[in-house]
Amino acid sequence: EAGVVQSPRYKIIEKKQPVAFWCNPISGHNTLYWYLQNLGQGPELLIRYENEEAVDDSQLPKDRFSAERLKGVDSTLKIQPAELGDSAVYLCASSLGGGRSGANVLTFGAGSRLTVL
Amino acid sequence: RKEVEQDPGPFNVPEGATVAFNCTYSNSASQSFFWYRQDCRKEPKLLMSVYSSGNEDGRFTAQLNRASQYISLLIRDSKLSDSATYLCVVNGSSASKIIFGSGTRLSIRP
Repeated sequence: EAGVVQSPRYKIIEKKQPVAFWCNPISGHNTLYWYLQNLGQGPELLIRYENEEAVDDSQLPKDRFSAERLKGVDSTLKIQPAELGDSAVYLCASSLGGGRSGANVLTFGAGSRLTVL
Repeated sequence: RKEVEQDPGPFNVPEGATVAFNCTYSNSASQSFFWYRQDCRKEPKLLMSVYSSGNEDGRFTAQLNRASQYISLLIRDSKLSDSATYLCVVNGSSASKIIFGSGTRLSIRP
């Protein structure tokens, strides 16, 4: 079974440019997460989806960040315009969700490393 | 106060040693607790879930103390391959809100 797939793995852009990251979760996983991770820090939640509904986007900087999960499967995270401080690794994760056993066990993708120059 | 706090380390211990990490959490209603392992420039991966009664997986033992709101991870007979960052993970105000600590760096020396 394929794991969580993210692309691109690496992206280098100049500040003020737009960038988009894509994530395909594990088949059957209803909950999808986007995390941001800076060097030496733990992942910080940006947004969480239950199926196609964004149920927690309180930490998403909405002036420049947007996300969508239109059909409740894959998801896109966009930054426009990017700033120097956005350089980080953007991690996508998925979990079964619901009340099932192991519902909150997250499986991560390999991440998208963004460098803003 | 952060919702999940860990000692960042680094812990530098010799091979074969026993090492323990603690992690405190602020939400007394939390129900799900995990330890994840993250290797350098890799994604976090589940090491083990933490159950109320405590649980063991080989050389790894996890404990939960609800009264004091902390979880612990004990690694016995440490191996060079145990060198990594260990992330404490707790669910937050809702069951599906998963919060990570900043991680504890462990380095095992020969």
